[in-house]
Amino acid sequence: GQNIDQPTEMTATEGAIVQINCTYQTSGFNGLFWYQQHAGEAPTFLSYNVLDGLEEKGRFSSFLSRSKGYSYLLLKELQMKDSASYLCAVPDNYGQNFVFGPGTRLSVLP
Amino acid sequence: EAGVTQFPSHSVIEKGQTVTLRCDPISGHDNLYWYRRVMGKEIKFLLHFVKESKQDESGMPNNRFLAERTGGTYSTLKVQPAELEDSGVYFCASSVLAGVNEQFFGPGTRLTVL
Repeated sequence: GQNIDQPTEMTATEGAIVQINCTYQTSGFNGLFWYQQHAGEAPTFLSYNVLDGLEEKGRFSSFLSRSKGYSYLLLKELQMKDSASYLCAVPDNYGQNFVFGPGTRLSVLP
Repeated sequence: EAGVTQFPSHSVIEKGQTVTLRCDPISGHDNLYWYRRVMGKEIKFLLHFVKESKQDESGMPNNRFLAERTGGTYSTLKVQPAELEDSGVYFCASSVLAGVNEQFFGPGTRLTVL
């Protein structure tokens, strides 16, 4: 089966950089997704990594190390609107459904 | 393009009552998924439809939960009778293709069972 771990809460200051870590243990691997979820809203797709390395997309970057079972989401130039939960998810063994981590609630302070 | 919509946004019912949640996926998305998040826990998979067929219902907690997708468009998730532990947020998601693909999520239905 799959097991995913993330820090529950993080706090950072506006304009700073924050790194949200995700570790996973899977019997198979079909890539890793990051989603952002504002309170009361739908989770929205941020990134998908299947190969090792860093993928940059504007202020957000996502990194994957398959050998270490580790990923992180890097948020630069933090803005107040980045306050949200960040969900790490991997497809299940059949590559069909998502297995989610507990989510990291990020609070950006002025 | 309209996103995934869910109705109602909130539902408060008493233990033993019945509730039906509805999900309208993005038009043209054959794959529809139900997930739920109970208090303090991670989002967990319930089931997956491909068109009107149940592809995988391994996450359904028990036979009090019934999901349907007649006609392969919208889907309903009925809880009958509801129990206290069913409280949580029920999310629906859809995707064009099955397999490893981005899933588009709805805003969820917050269910409270008293």
